[in-house]
Amino acid sequence: DGGITQSPKYLFRKEGQNVTLSCEQNLNHDAMYWYRQDPGQGLRLIYYSQIVNDFQKGDIAEGYSVSREKKESFPLTVTSAQKNPTAFYLCASSIWTGGTDTQYFGPGTRLTVL
Amino acid sequence: AQTVTQSQPEMSVQEAETVTLSCTYDTSESDYYLFWYKQPPSRQMILVIRQEAYKQQNATENRFSVNFQKAAKSFSLKISDSQLGDAAMYFCAYDRSNFGNEKLTFGTGTRLTIIP
Repeated sequence: DGGITQSPKYLFRKEGQNVTLSCEQNLNHDAMYWYRQDPGQGLRLIYYSQIVNDFQKGDIAEGYSVSREKKESFPLTVTSAQKNPTAFYLCASSIWTGGTDTQYFGPGTRLTVL
Repeated sequence: AQTVTQSQPEMSVQEAETVTLSCTYDTSESDYYLFWYKQPPSRQMILVIRQEAYKQQNATENRFSVNFQKAAKSFSLKISDSQLGDAAMYFCAYDRSNFGNEKLTFGTGTRLTIIP
């Protein structure tokens, strides 16, 4: 099946630890994105990558890092520098259709800091 | 900067009835795209419908249609014959066109409840 997978579904972190969220897609999409969702808010962009070995900061990149070594994979590391990391994290990928990118989302990872 | 506003935090509708969710946006661009995404309790975001600003015809997808008013910068979603499976958060989103891989700007969402 083609799609976007995220793992794990739930993740618990102790304060001061770095954790990495996985995002994989087999849709052959060029671009990938990471969003953060907090209660009562829309999605906010953390990082995005248009091609392999290249990525750009979004609106709330502080305390996060990413890599894009393969087209299929775009892992997100939440570092200890992120002050309030408890949130729902969504990964997306996109394909250029009809003049714009249409983004498709994975099932998400719920991160809780203990 | 572009902003997207959804002024209805919650809406409810009787099953089989029609409901309209509102969305307004602010932009200085003339060419752009608008989206409605659905987020059910599973929390996965699902694309519902897409509208190109240069098209005057309103987009439709089965029971879902939009009322796009470019001059008023309004983009409402109409759900006809509401079903229990339509219960979800609905997010309106904006994207500049023709720049490649630009980020989406999301509204804060409307929670839709379907009353059996």
